[in-house]
Amino acid sequence: GAVVSQHPSRVICKSGTSVKIECRSLDFQATTMFWYRQFPKQSLMLMATSNEGSKATYEQGVEKDKFLINHASLTLSTLTVTSAHPEDSSFYICSARAGRTQGTQYFGPGTRLLVL
Amino acid sequence: GENVEQHPSTLSVQEGDSAVIKCTYSDSASNYFPWYKQELGKGPQLIIDIRSNVGEKKDQRIAVTLNKTAKHFSLHITETQPEDSAVYFCAASLNTGGFKTIFGAGTRLFVKA
Repeated sequence: GAVVSQHPSRVICKSGTSVKIECRSLDFQATTMFWYRQFPKQSLMLMATSNEGSKATYEQGVEKDKFLINHASLTLSTLTVTSAHPEDSSFYICSARAGRTQGTQYFGPGTRLLVL
Repeated sequence: GENVEQHPSTLSVQEGDSAVIKCTYSDSASNYFPWYKQELGKGPQLIIDIRSNVGEKKDQRIAVTLNKTAKHFSLHITETQPEDSAVYFCAASLNTGGFKTIFGAGTRLFVKA
């Protein structure tokens, strides 16, 4: 299957700092990428969807100025958590899809963020 | 919009037994149903998927069935092994312009040796 990588795998930061998470599709071109947030023992919560070259579409309740998403190329999307606070601590997972309107989603390994 | 319900939330089986996880969806327009396995601290991994023009699909010990009329689909794992222990998510895709994948709440499977 297709491979999606994420970096870093885990990050600890101080409250008020910004954290950038990278998501890369290694062996296919990802027209669409998704960012999810997952709390312990819960399902995946979609935060935003981004198509290469376009602005991301955010789900209701997700602050676009807080969670900045850039999808500048067909193999790279970044999520920046700005001015992170302890309540932003979570497991962030990206996924990528080759097609704009159809196709299988492949997930990255996730990034665990801990804000002190 | 689409809603996916998944049952049970927790499932414990003895090694070698079968495990069945069931999901229902609400939107009859959904036409793609993937299943993901998530191990602790890792991202979900696609294990099998089925499209609405197929009623059943099998891959070694894993099989998925789809009943479009009843709008439900199931994951069957036979001859379970301890390494099958994980959280399993079903999902349904609505093939419209937005094309969102809606996930179930997950089933935590424990396989006891």
